[in-house]
Amino acid sequence: KNEVEQSPQNLTAQEGEFITINCSYSVGISALHWLQQHPGGGIVSLFMLSSGKKKHGRLIATINIQEKHSSLHITASHPRDSAVYICAPKGSGSRLTFGEGTQLTVNP
Amino acid sequence: GAVVSQHPSRVICKSGTSVKIECRSLDFQATTMFWYRQFPKQSLMLMATSNEGSKATYEQGVEKDKFLINHASLTLSTLTVTSAHPEDSSFYICSATDDTEAFFGQGTRLTVV
Repeated sequence: KNEVEQSPQNLTAQEGEFITINCSYSVGISALHWLQQHPGGGIVSLFMLSSGKKKHGRLIATINIQEKHSSLHITASHPRDSAVYICAPKGSGSRLTFGEGTQLTVNP
Repeated sequence: GAVVSQHPSRVICKSGTSVKIECRSLDFQATTMFWYRQFPKQSLMLMATSNEGSKATYEQGVEKDKFLINHASLTLSTLTVTSAHPEDSSFYICSATDDTEAFFGQGTRLTVV
């Protein structure tokens, strides 16, 4: 069993839809990153959170430390949101463990 | 937000030559830098962890003599792929942290011909 499980692996949505990506992890963590990787390969850290909920624009991330679960939500999705979204719990020594990623495609 | 600059973004080299990839933290001091490799449709694989002024810690299966890492200052780490072979062709990406957040470079697409 992988230390980090993301679902779904692939997600296709219509523009405007509400999107949820889930992440479950089995490792002990100090925080968790949600990352976005575009087709060109560059990675952007969307959130780092250790408890509760964070919101940036149309993006919302939540984490439940006791249940070892985090979710990333995108409201009013747009084609430019199409990317791979990666859950990355942070363990000791700033080391990240990566999920397999969720390929999101938002169609106009 | 903090910026990590990685160069080059793309490089094509001949088999047997060496390639150096630079990773710079532009507006913060990176206590730790990580080097990752990513194959198509796969997640990032940690190659090594480097701290300024000390030897890098390599992950199991990563040849330290093949992938030379130098972390000469708090803002610069380099990865040199020595005697490159076609199987070294991949996407290499660095990450730098100031112990609060992780910031990623743009990545380097290496093609060995």
